[in-house]
Amino acid sequence: DAKTTQPNSMESNEEEPVHLPCNHSTISGTDYIHWYRQLPSQGPEYVIHGLTSNVNNRMASLAIAEDRKSSTLILHRATLRDAAVYYCILRDPNSGYALNFGKGTSLLVTP
Amino acid sequence: NAGVTQTPKFRILKIGQSMTLQCTQDMNHNYMYWYRQDPGMGLKLIYYSVGAGITDKGEVPNGYNVSRSTTEDFPLRLELAAPSQTSVYFCASRGSGTVNTEAFFGQGTRLTVV
Repeated sequence: DAKTTQPNSMESNEEEPVHLPCNHSTISGTDYIHWYRQLPSQGPEYVIHGLTSNVNNRMASLAIAEDRKSSTLILHRATLRDAAVYYCILRDPNSGYALNFGKGTSLLVTP
Repeated sequence: NAGVTQTPKFRILKIGQSMTLQCTQDMNHNYMYWYRQDPGMGLKLIYYSVGAGITDKGEVPNGYNVSRSTTEDFPLRLELAAPSQTSVYFCASRGSGTVNTEAFFGQGTRLTVV
């Protein structure tokens, strides 16, 4: 399985941008990069996904390196509600394309 | 719009007891998954199903069983509960469109085995 590596934790001030990095040096050419987040005491929720080009949606932006060995999730203006664990994920083709979770990055947002 | 519903939300079991964690989804999704999450860790895949009547093992299947008789339901069975099965259990589903369709998760079942 291709794996991802993320920092254990990051901290941000409210209303400032946040850049959450992820390394996936063994990614295959067809693997999409998925980001999910898990708010306290809740199930994970989808944030964004992409293959090669940078992607934007109402929640965040995803910047993918040209060699695809790394990516960065960008929250443009962090709010207190964005405090969560953020997971950078590659799907597992051998398990019904299940999401392959690591430990993720715990984001602390301070007022 | 219910999405993925898990019951119960909390349960305390004694060692050796059995129980079934229920999961149902109303989105007509073919793919369904069961995960467990231990404190401070990411989610680990227990079992998955690609459609009614088809199930397969994930990374940590020992001590669990599943069935998928309908598209909507994917129950997880614990036959002889052990303290090592104390965890939070999440059920998820996704549609079949592409391998990158969004997965939807339930709110989880917090299980304690004493």
